[in-house]
Amino acid sequence: GNSVTQMEGPVTLSEEAFLTINCTYTATGYPSLFWYVQYPGEGLQLLLKATKADDKGSNKGFEATYRKETTSFHLEKGSVQVSDSAVYFCALSEDQGAQKLVFGQGTRLTINP
Amino acid sequence: DSGVTQTPKHLITATGQRVTLRCSPRSGDLSVYWYQQSLDQGLQFLIQYYNGEERAKGNILERFSAQQFPDLHSELNLSSLELGDSALYFCASSVGAGSNIQYFGAGTRLSVL
Repeated sequence: GNSVTQMEGPVTLSEEAFLTINCTYTATGYPSLFWYVQYPGEGLQLLLKATKADDKGSNKGFEATYRKETTSFHLEKGSVQVSDSAVYFCALSEDQGAQKLVFGQGTRLTINP
Repeated sequence: DSGVTQTPKHLITATGQRVTLRCSPRSGDLSVYWYQQSLDQGLQFLIQYYNGEERAKGNILERFSAQQFPDLHSELNLSSLELGDSALYFCASSVGAGSNIQYFGAGTRLSVL
């Protein structure tokens, strides 16, 4: 079946460091890809998405590019802030008719001042 | 605020009991999804309803059931509870059955003692 694999966490960085969180997927067909973020005590918020190969999703300084050849959707940010501390989930949608999401295991990110 | 409301925020109960979790989707959204987040299984899709009808089913146990009412709110019923059912249960909503973006509620934390 379809699956998503994220890099193991937790990840700890200093403020203004460069961030990469790796995400690879296995899917049949042409899924849409997402990054969701979960702040402490809150639900998941959509961070960015891409719906077809070579699409780049971006939001709040975060970017991810849908790479069909490497089945990847890595999350990047050039300069992280303390407020970016959260758990990040990579996800794919399984099919167009019923948009159930398949999530990776999540990566906890902590940014130190 | 995503516009998706889940109640209660916390629920503590005993093994063998039955509980009901409630979700009100964003105004205008016809689809409701339920997910379970646990330490060992991660975030897993349970079930989707669209305009009152079951649309897709995931790894939902037979002891669990859901429904969506004419006013589009949804309830997730969990019965014969076991310790392993302790988890965070999220509801999400989207505009259509195959819409890409799902908006998540803050979740209901269920503790089975």
